[in-house]
Amino acid sequence: DTEVTQTPKHLVMGMTNKKSLKCEQHMGHRAMYWYKQKAKKPPELMFVYSYEKLSINESVPSRFSPECPNSSLLNLHLHALQPEDSALYLCASSPGLAGGVAKNIQYFGAGTRLSVL
Amino acid sequence: DAKTTQPTSMDCAEGRAANLPCNHSTISGNEYVYWYRQIHSQGPQYIIHGLKNNETNEMASLIITEDRKSSTLILPHATLRDTAVYYCIVRVGAGGTSYGKLTFGQGTILTVHP
Repeated sequence: DTEVTQTPKHLVMGMTNKKSLKCEQHMGHRAMYWYKQKAKKPPELMFVYSYEKLSINESVPSRFSPECPNSSLLNLHLHALQPEDSALYLCASSPGLAGGVAKNIQYFGAGTRLSVL
Repeated sequence: DAKTTQPTSMDCAEGRAANLPCNHSTISGNEYVYWYRQIHSQGPQYIIHGLKNNETNEMASLIITEDRKSSTLILPHATLRDTAVYYCIVRVGAGGTSYGKLTFGQGTILTVHP
């Protein structure tokens, strides 16, 4: 099973709302990632978690708050977003960050399409 | 990570081989070439990776030039389902502060025609 599951598939929220995106994998992977993808653009890395600890934050605004409660789950908490934050949010996982090239092959979910009104 | 250059778009007839080029002239000795693709409305999908030897798996073949400054992804018998954006990414295999990052370029839009 190489599946990364993201919920919800679609989300519409107002600028004053608080919402969360959820990502789950059961492959035993110890690294998890959040990417943001605007229309007709490539994905851009936001956060990397390794062994449930934040490893990389690509200078993402604080209105995006990641959380990794355990090795299978990754959340992205959203608060006071702007319309320009509307995008496809992708989650990915990999076996790890160290120990060989193959361990960093990333498996992506289908994404959550977010619209901020 | 080294920068890559790919053609913006390519066409291929169904059943024919699709050859997607990638230039990475500033690649370092410890950097690997990875290929991912993204079919419309889906997340990116890993295809293949290599360091300096040619590689083949059930999805594709990867040919890396001897000087490692360019590579070609080959889909031997393209189908309509291979229509996607193909990303060539060069990155270190392990270690370093940027380890874990995948930096996607603009990619090549491959359209497979009936």
